[in-house]
Amino acid sequence: TQLLEQSPQFLSIQEGENLTVYCNSSSVFSSLQWYRQEPGEGPVLLVTVVTGGEVKKLKRLTFQFGDARKDSSLHITAAQPGDTGLYLCAGGRDSGTYKYIFGTGTRLKVLA
Amino acid sequence: DSGVTQTPKHLITATGQRVTLRCSPRSGDLSVYWYQQSLDQGLQFLIQYYNGEERAKGNILERFSAQQFPDLHSELNLSSLELGDSALYFCASSVGWGYSYEQYFGPGTRLTVT
Repeated sequence: TQLLEQSPQFLSIQEGENLTVYCNSSSVFSSLQWYRQEPGEGPVLLVTVVTGGEVKKLKRLTFQFGDARKDSSLHITAAQPGDTGLYLCAGGRDSGTYKYIFGTGTRLKVLA
Repeated sequence: DSGVTQTPKHLITATGQRVTLRCSPRSGDLSVYWYQQSLDQGLQFLIQYYNGEERAKGNILERFSAQQFPDLHSELNLSSLELGDSALYFCASSVGWGYSYEQYFGPGTRLTVT
């Protein structure tokens, strides 16, 4: 059972364009993290959000945690080829089998 | 470089065999996590250890087991291997055991079962 759905699954855009990736669930999470993963490497943490409605900015990346802590979005402004990669959201809970759930992933390609 | 090391980088073995994957966490991190990443299942949480004790269990098969040693390194043992066990296995570490602690991932071990 996949508890975190990401959309879109694939995205190919031109350099300079803006984009938004969505991470949705019917379940509540205590925290939400976004990672970027490149081929043959492990995911690299970009940000952690823990408060409903929280917005964090990291240079051209803006992350938002939904008010109900069930969804999140990642917005990239003026995308660059270096942003290319697999973006994963991950939800954390206090305990249980689904303590750490990773989303289905969004594969982004930014063309120069 | 995340500071998390994993060995071996690649492993090719036959069905029915047993393998051991090793992970050394970042200096100072007490928590170790194991994940499996396959094309059809995505990244799946297997198990977490904190300071030598099991803290959380995901969808880990009974054929799989793990432990964390006093020096905090961890091993994931996979037995009676099946073709479907072919995947990337990642180890991650964090300072604490709670859900909000940042996890740092190693480079992974690519397991191929033939």
